[in-house]
Amino acid sequence: AQSVAQPEDQVNVAEGNPLTVKCTYSVSGNPYLFWYVQYPNRGLQFLLKYITGDNLVKGSYGFEAEFNKSQTSFHLKKPSALVSDSALYFCAVTRSARQLTFGSGTQLTVLP
Amino acid sequence: DTGVSQDPRHKITKRGQNVTFRCDPISEHNRLYWYRQTLGQGPEFLTYFQNEAQLEKSRLLSDRFSAERPKGSFSTLEIQRTEQGDSAMYLCASSGGSGSNTGELFFGEGSRLTVL
Repeated sequence: AQSVAQPEDQVNVAEGNPLTVKCTYSVSGNPYLFWYVQYPNRGLQFLLKYITGDNLVKGSYGFEAEFNKSQTSFHLKKPSALVSDSALYFCAVTRSARQLTFGSGTQLTVLP
Repeated sequence: DTGVSQDPRHKITKRGQNVTFRCDPISEHNRLYWYRQTLGQGPEFLTYFQNEAQLEKSRLLSDRFSAERPKGSFSTLEIQRTEQGDSAMYLCASSGGSGSNTGELFFGEGSRLTVL
């Protein structure tokens, strides 16, 4: 079985400050890990993924995520938040790439 | 627009009626997925097609749910004898091209079902 936990329903951060959205996962074997973003009235959009290799992965819109195997975490980060980053963020995990298991989502609000 | 398209975008139906949703994936994608999302939750996997073959189905997919992808292009998801618990956003996604499947999905905007 595979599962994802996003411990924070809501994250608020001031524009220009660094942001972190947390994700922990549980899966047997080596995971594929993903972050997706959902803007209001828009479909889910892929941000970044970790498959193998460098633990720090870079994605769209200046986002990055760090894979930590010992802590089974894959936190999403951005050095300087923009108001336009405000959206719903989902972490996802899979072993097979056929079935993604998503977390319950974290609403990010960047305050001007 | 060459993204994933879903139709209808909104459907209101009475309990017990049948509904069908259609998904047109990105044209060169051979993999197609259906997910369901309820308010406050992340998407839940329903089923997966590679070309026309349905390779995986979730245990969430009861006998009232059926999905097809007859020619390996568009897909339909039918729900028979709808129940109020079926009210949700039904998401279609596609991926593909050559090479291994690394799970990066392209989602449509979804079809919202409300069962009265």
